[in-house]
Amino acid sequence: KNQVEQSPQSLIILEGKNCTLQCNYTVSPFSNLRWYKQDTGRGPVSLTIMTFSENTKSNGRYTATLDADTKQSSLHITASQLSDSASYICVVSAANNNAGNMLTFGGGTRLMVKP
Amino acid sequence: NAGVMQNPRHLVRRRGQEARLRCSPMKGHSHVYWYRQLPEEGLKFMVYLQKENIIDESGMPKERFSAEFPKEGPSILRIQQVVRGDSAAYFCASSPTPRTGGGTQYFGPGTRLTVL
Repeated sequence: KNQVEQSPQSLIILEGKNCTLQCNYTVSPFSNLRWYKQDTGRGPVSLTIMTFSENTKSNGRYTATLDADTKQSSLHITASQLSDSASYICVVSAANNNAGNMLTFGGGTRLMVKP
Repeated sequence: NAGVMQNPRHLVRRRGQEARLRCSPMKGHSHVYWYRQLPEEGLKFMVYLQKENIIDESGMPKERFSAEFPKEGPSILRIQQVVRGDSAAYFCASSPTPRTGGGTQYFGPGTRLTVL
């Protein structure tokens, strides 16, 4: 069964600090991995996407890493801002020849940045 | 580009009523996906549609739920005879390429359904 586990479930940090969110997955056959940011009451917005051959991808203060061997990914946020307060969702895509790519969503990490 | 539009944003229904959720994909996108998010849980896939076709409904409950994406107009997710357990946020996403392309899905703001 395809699963995506994220940790921690929730995190509180002070403004300006860095943090790292973790994602472990058991999705096969692997196609790609995305990190989404979901603000409260809004839909998810894509931050990064990585395929099997990519180890790291940056988007401003967000840097995602992928270890396809251990099936782990991390999202590092540098110099956090109050606007970073949101849920961060790891989404892994499995290639399904019959029905196209299937997305498996992690439960998310709820990040709160305090002043 | 206005992005993916969903309406209503909030919907309240009594048990036994019908709920209709609408989704207008981004301009140029002909692939639509519906997801359900229960409180404190992750998004769960429900159905994948292209214009006038249901491609994959493996995540859709067998009864009371149906979806369509007509040639003209928005995609509709219909829930008949709603029950309290249907209370959730329902998100629509669209993409310009088929799901086999692995392209990014763009999400709408969601419809929050509350069943009294």
